[in-house]
Amino acid sequence: QVQLVQSGAEVKKPGASVKVSCKASGYTFTSYDINWVRQATGQGLEWMGWMNPNSGNTGYAQKFQGRVTITRNTSISTAYMELSSLRSEDTAVYYCARYYYDSSGHWGFDYWGQGTLVTVSS
Amino acid sequence: QSVLTQPPSASGTPGQRVTISCSGSSSNIGSNTVNWYQQLPGTAPKLLIYRNNQRPSGVPDRFSGSKSGTSASLAISGLQSEDEADYYCAAWDDSLNGRVFGGGTKLTVL
Repeated sequence: QVQLVQSGAEVKKPGASVKVSCKASGYTFTSYDINWVRQATGQGLEWMGWMNPNSGNTGYAQKFQGRVTITRNTSISTAYMELSSLRSEDTAVYYCARYYYDSSGHWGFDYWGQGTLVTVSS
Repeated sequence: QSVLTQPPSASGTPGQRVTISCSGSSSNIGSNTVNWYQQLPGTAPKLLIYRNNQRPSGVPDRFSGSKSGTSASLAISGLQSEDEADYYCAAWDDSLNGRVFGGGTKLTVL
């Protein structure tokens, strides 16, 4: 069965960076894009960016351009999201999600990781 | 301020039919397909509707989606207590070159 398993909670100081991992299993990792979405406590979903694990191509939300980097290691079917210059407003749960599509077209985020809480505090 | 606009809350009694709206523009809903996600408290979102009105296997047919122009709607019929959750619409935005979400609608089953 398809699973996305994320790394554990992190506590960081303002100005630091955080790198969250997302290990995929149950399907061919390079076949579908991985996206990252975050959610501050009590707030809505916010899309951060995507990556094609096969080519390594990426795209980022304008809000995070220059601060976020999404990478992968295909040998271990793992995607990473690194966010730099952290500030208190970056405190949120960060999710990875698989973007599925088939011969008929696009679906959406059909599998999600369990979420990783990143707390930014001095 | 979300690119896609949803009402912050909705409510209904068991058995009722409830609709949640999602308003966008020509660069997102008007030119791309819409997804709907259900998020139960403390859990990751779940794909409820894809390609405007298609349900993944396992999603009850009580849930239906529609799209007209630059707006979309999610309808839930035969409301049940377990439907109490947050619901989000999403679409690709050609102008922003990124995916956008609605602000979310908290559904309360009275």
